[in-house]
Amino acid sequence: DARVTQTPRHKVTEMGQEVTMRCQPILGHNTVFWYRQTMMQGLELLAYFRNRAPLDDSGMPKDRFSAEMPDATLATLKIQPSEPRDSAVYFCASGDPPNNYGYTFGSGTRLTVV
Amino acid sequence: AQSVTQLGSHVSVSEGALVLLRCNYSSSVPPYLFWYVQYPNQGLQLLLKYTTGATLVKGINGFEAEFKKSETSFHLTKPSAHMSDAAEYFCAVTDPYSGGGADGLTFGKGTHLIIQP
Repeated sequence: DARVTQTPRHKVTEMGQEVTMRCQPILGHNTVFWYRQTMMQGLELLAYFRNRAPLDDSGMPKDRFSAEMPDATLATLKIQPSEPRDSAVYFCASGDPPNNYGYTFGSGTRLTVV
Repeated sequence: AQSVTQLGSHVSVSEGALVLLRCNYSSSVPPYLFWYVQYPNQGLQLLLKYTTGATLVKGINGFEAEFKKSETSFHLTKPSAHMSDAAEYFCAVTDPYSGGGADGLTFGKGTHLIIQP
């Protein structure tokens, strides 16, 4: 089965450090999403791309978060500087709307900022 | 704006009993609806989806859901619970008419399904 691959699976970092999370979407999928999951807020949409172009990043704290898609096989989410409140699980998902709805999620990156 | 309400953050059923997880949505246009399952330390896996056509949709692992427009509901059911069904379940909605149909999913808060032996 085709998969969305996220790296790293776990990341522990100190406050103030830069964090980069990577995602390899399913080949041929035209849309890539970044979600954040916390106990308090649940699943929040941070940003998404279609055909590598950013469509919406209104869910992200602009001063510290950035999302890019340098090529069709790689999406990145960066946090600089990181803060303890950024501790969460970050998921990447890809899909191919309107041909097929039903986005495939990666296993996530569990980020802990101490 | 869209929203999803999942009634009951925790649902406990006995093994072999009916599973019913409730989901109600709010949307200004006919939405597309989804159920996802999340096992511990894993990503979300699509169980089933409703886009158009038949309002009763069947998914993986014996689950099904029925879209009821008049009730703005999309409840998830399974006739007989198995221990392996214990997980977190998320209902989600998207508006297929905005953002070129690529607006992402709005998720409910999730329901933790507990299976009693």
